[in-house]
Amino acid sequence: GENVEQHPSTLSVQEGDSAVIKCTYSDSASNYFPWYKQELGKGPQLIIDIRSNVGEKKDQRIAVTLNKTAKHFSLHITETQPEDSAVYFCAASKGGSYIPTFGRGTSLIVHP
Amino acid sequence: DGGITQSPKYLFRKEGQNVTLSCEQNLNHDAMYWYRQDPGQGLRLIYYSQIVNDFQKGDIAEGYSVSREKKESFPLTVTSAQKNPTAFYLCASSIGQYNEQFFGPGTRLTVL
Repeated sequence: GENVEQHPSTLSVQEGDSAVIKCTYSDSASNYFPWYKQELGKGPQLIIDIRSNVGEKKDQRIAVTLNKTAKHFSLHITETQPEDSAVYFCAASKGGSYIPTFGRGTSLIVHP
Repeated sequence: DGGITQSPKYLFRKEGQNVTLSCEQNLNHDAMYWYRQDPGQGLRLIYYSQIVNDFQKGDIAEGYSVSREKKESFPLTVTSAQKNPTAFYLCASSIGQYNEQFFGPGTRLTVL
């Protein structure tokens, strides 16, 4: 089955810096890659996703890049703010009846 | 307001007791899921259901049971056979060809 590795497990940055979280996947048939943000004590919320026919997608301060050849994708957050502090999860899915496989999460801490 | 609700938010159980966690959605999604979250472990799939009256085991189904009698509801029972049930439990539903997941707010179960 699919295996998703996520790094780093913890990321500490100063407010205003950029943050990058990286994930690799094993199944070349995966074609959908969502990113979720989970605040303390709450359920994960989808923040951005990318399909395999796209190399990059941006939404304000958040961007995701996908390298299908290398089987890795990354989340980029620019101009970080304290409210960006949360746990971020990546996932990979083949769609259809397949369940997304999640990474283990990255705890992002943004220091004011 | 469309969404997924989970109740209760906090649940305490004595060892040896079964307990049922509620999950309801009004998004008209066909598929529903239960995940368990432990610190540093990411999201682990317990059970999922892609259609009413049908469900499949996930990666860690032992000690858990589910039912799917209605499209809107997917309750999870944590039985006394689950050896380490203290965790944060997340319910999700999905739609679309990529199974985009929508999560509920979670239930924190503590065994005393």
